[in-house]
Amino acid sequence: DTTVKQNPRYKLARVGKPVNLICSQTMNHDTMYWYQKKPNQAPKLLLFYYDKILNREADTFEKFQSSRPNNSFCSLYIGSAGLEYSAMYLCASSLLGRGNTLYFGAGTRLSVL
Amino acid sequence: GDSVTQTEGPVTLSEGTSLTVNCSYETKQYPTLFWYVQYPGEGPQLLFKVPKANEKGSNRGFEATYNKEATSFHLQKASVQESDSAVYYCALSVRSYAQGLTFGLGTRVSVFP
Repeated sequence: DTTVKQNPRYKLARVGKPVNLICSQTMNHDTMYWYQKKPNQAPKLLLFYYDKILNREADTFEKFQSSRPNNSFCSLYIGSAGLEYSAMYLCASSLLGRGNTLYFGAGTRLSVL
Repeated sequence: GDSVTQTEGPVTLSEGTSLTVNCSYETKQYPTLFWYVQYPGEGPQLLFKVPKANEKGSNRGFEATYNKEATSFHLQKASVQESDSAVYYCALSVRSYAQGLTFGLGTRVSVFP
């Protein structure tokens, strides 16, 4: 079962309020990723967890947090949402290793008003 | 940094015609190259990947050759079907310790009967 699930599919948030997005996978993958996708832009890697080690991209370091309470779950947390956070957020998982396939969820579309 | 450039969409075709989506990349390392496909309402899924220069990948009638000299990885299909309507992403992976993919913008392909 190659399944990555994201909840919710759509989320509406108010400016200045926190946002928490959830992702789960059932493939026992050691690595989980969060990507941000905006219209007319390429999907952008925000951060990834290898096992319990969090790696955040330098240019989004202060904007996003994440937690991975166990191997199957990973969350993406925005402390104070701004209009610029409106986007599709894609979660993915894989086994560690260059060239390994990433398996993606269907995404959560976040709209900040 | 690493980058991927691909054909700007949208691309509109009739069933039975041929498809080419151009992809070029820049990296100072040795990449694995991927094509992902995203159908409406779903996350991106692997179409195929090629880890070695000058080798060809293929799946479902699609194919691409990893051309190291030209730094290209163009996607081709000889005869498209309506079910091929999707967004196609070219991507590369070079990280030695985890696989964060660098994506192109994506090319939306619409095939009409």
